[in-house]
Formats: sequence, structure tokens, C-alpha cells
Amino acid sequence: GENVGLHLPTLSVQEGDNSIINCAYSNSASDYFIWYKQESGKGPQFIIDIRSNMDKRQGQRVTVLLNKTVKHLSLQIAATQPGDSAVYFCAESLGGSNYKLTFGKGTLLTVNP
Amino acid sequence: SQTIHQWPATLVQPVGSPLSLECTVEGTSNPNLYWYRQAAGRGLQLLFYSVGIGQISSEVPQNLSASRPQDRQFILSSKKLLLSDSGFYLCAWSRQGDSPLHFGNGTRLTVT
Repeated sequence: GENVGLHLPTLSVQEGDNSIINCAYSNSASDYFIWYKQESGKGPQFIIDIRSNMDKRQGQRVTVLLNKTVKHLSLQIAATQPGDSAVYFCAESLGGSNYKLTFGKGTLLTVNP
Repeated sequence: SQTIHQWPATLVQPVGSPLSLECTVEGTSNPNLYWYRQAAGRGLQLLFYSVGIGQISSEVPQNLSASRPQDRQFILSSKKLLLSDSGFYLCAWSRQGDSPLHFGNGTRLTVT
């Protein structure tokens, strides 16, 4: 499969630790944000999304935080597992135009057993 | 539940040959459909999107074209492949409005 890990920011954590992956988005008018997980050779998998009228949203073991003041998005993964190892992308869009999603370059998360 | 199918998974084609990649979606109607390309170590680049049958928008001028002959079918084509067309091609679908894109597992295209 495609090696999307080349030249990417990397984060290495121990199994069981919490992980925080950060993303700086570019457009202050963006109002919809998504996190994706991509394993080697596969398509990106939707993790969680958040709209700009929220600053926090929780899913199963994941939390997304949105700071519109500094245009910053983060993904927190609790009790990180080896299966969480992947490249994580953030994406932003303007309201109602999800065909104009802009993706970040991704962060490679490596979980050490 | 909705599923997206994309094929083939891998493809090796000589320069100058034609290309046809197919994508189908099940379990939903009138989806938005997308073709993305992903180069090694880079993010995703939107190539085409479609909001309905026969409606195709192109995001970047290139050697590729897209068609949507049916509501849940999206095809990426080229008449003559270039070396620079090599990459990982991803099809995706979404509902209208603010909703996430759901991706297929991609086609790794190598043009030799």
C-alpha cells in the first residue's frame, strides 16, 4: 500500500498512555472539522467530527478539542493501543460545502507495546 | 449500512495506456461522490466531485476525467496515462451538507 508516513510529523507513545495529535487549520471561516485515521494501504477512516459552535466533542476513547481563537484542533486518544498506530489527518471545510474539505498533511502515530 | 467499493486495489499500466477506475456506493441515495489522489507523504488532493448524475466538477486541470453514469457509480478515466499519474487514488462519498466523507480502500496506480 501507499506509504503515507514519509516526511510526516511523528508521535511515538507507549501503549496505555494518552495521545494528543495537533492540527493548525488555515481558514478562520471554516466551521466544520473532521479527524481521519489512515492505516497503511487503506483509505482514511472517519473518527470524529465537530462543528464550530462546539469546542469539545467526545467519542469512544477519543476527544476532539477546537480552539477557534488560535485556529487549533486536537485529537486526544485515551489509553492508546497498538491498533491506533496510523497516520491521522485533520480536515476543515466551510459550511455546507463538504466537497471543499481541506486536509492537513497528517501525523504518524506509533504506539510502542 | 452504507458501503463503498473501489477497484482494482492495485494497477500497473504503461505510459500512454488508458485508465478506468470504478467506484460504487451501496446503502444510500443521491450521495456526493469524490475522487482524491494521495502522493506519498502528502495529504489528499481533491480531483473531482459530483453532487448528482452527470454533474462533475474538476478541481485541478490534468490528464484525468470523471463520469457519473448512475447515482451511485463514479468512474475515473484517462485516455493516455502519464508517469506523473502514478499515485494512490481514493473514492469517497458523503451526504449533502456538513457530513464526513467516507473513503474506499483506494487504488494504487503505478504508471511505468
